[in-house]
Amino acid sequence: AQSVTQLGSHVSVSEGALVLLRCNYSSSVPPYLFWYVQYPNQGLQLLLKYTTGATLVKGINGFEAEFKKSETSFHLTKPSAHMSDAAEYFCAVSNTGNQFYFGTGTSLTVIP
Amino acid sequence: EADIYQTPRYLVIGTGKKITLECSQTMGHDKMYWYQQDPGMELHLIHYSYGVNSTEKGDLSSESTVSRIRTEHFPLTLESARPSHTSQYLCASSGRFYNEQFFGPGTRLTVL
Repeated sequence: AQSVTQLGSHVSVSEGALVLLRCNYSSSVPPYLFWYVQYPNQGLQLLLKYTTGATLVKGINGFEAEFKKSETSFHLTKPSAHMSDAAEYFCAVSNTGNQFYFGTGTSLTVIP
Repeated sequence: EADIYQTPRYLVIGTGKKITLECSQTMGHDKMYWYQQDPGMELHLIHYSYGVNSTEKGDLSSESTVSRIRTEHFPLTLESARPSHTSQYLCASSGRFYNEQFFGPGTRLTVL
């Protein structure tokens, strides 16, 4: 069985500060891992994904995530938060590419 | 640019009415999904399809039904809406060689 845990349902950072959103997963086989962002009244948009290869993955809008197999983690980071980063972020896992399991989301607030 | 559409975007309806939520994609994706999303909760898979004439129920018990007569179209029907159906419904699709899901903008349903 697969599952995703996102620590911290709400995270607040100051504009210009480091963003760190945590995601831990469980999977019986090497997983595909994803981060999505959702703005109000919109669907989910892919930020980045890990399938195979390099464990440090770069995505859109300056975000990146590192797959750490030993820690079963896939934390999302951004060096400097911008006001436009305020949104809901979802981590997801899939081991077949057919079904996807999502975390409960982390709401990011950016304080000016 | 992902092209997946949902209509209506917002719907307010009385108890007992029959409704159909529309979802269409122009990417030729084989796999399509319906999720229910409530605040602070993970996305719950309610239906999925891996191709024409193939539909399955997801993890979340749902009183809705779906059909997949054409590759691009995956409508969801509630025969008799109830207040417990009030939620946001997200449609997604995924291709054979791409691992991520592409999401529509969602339908926010309110049943009075």
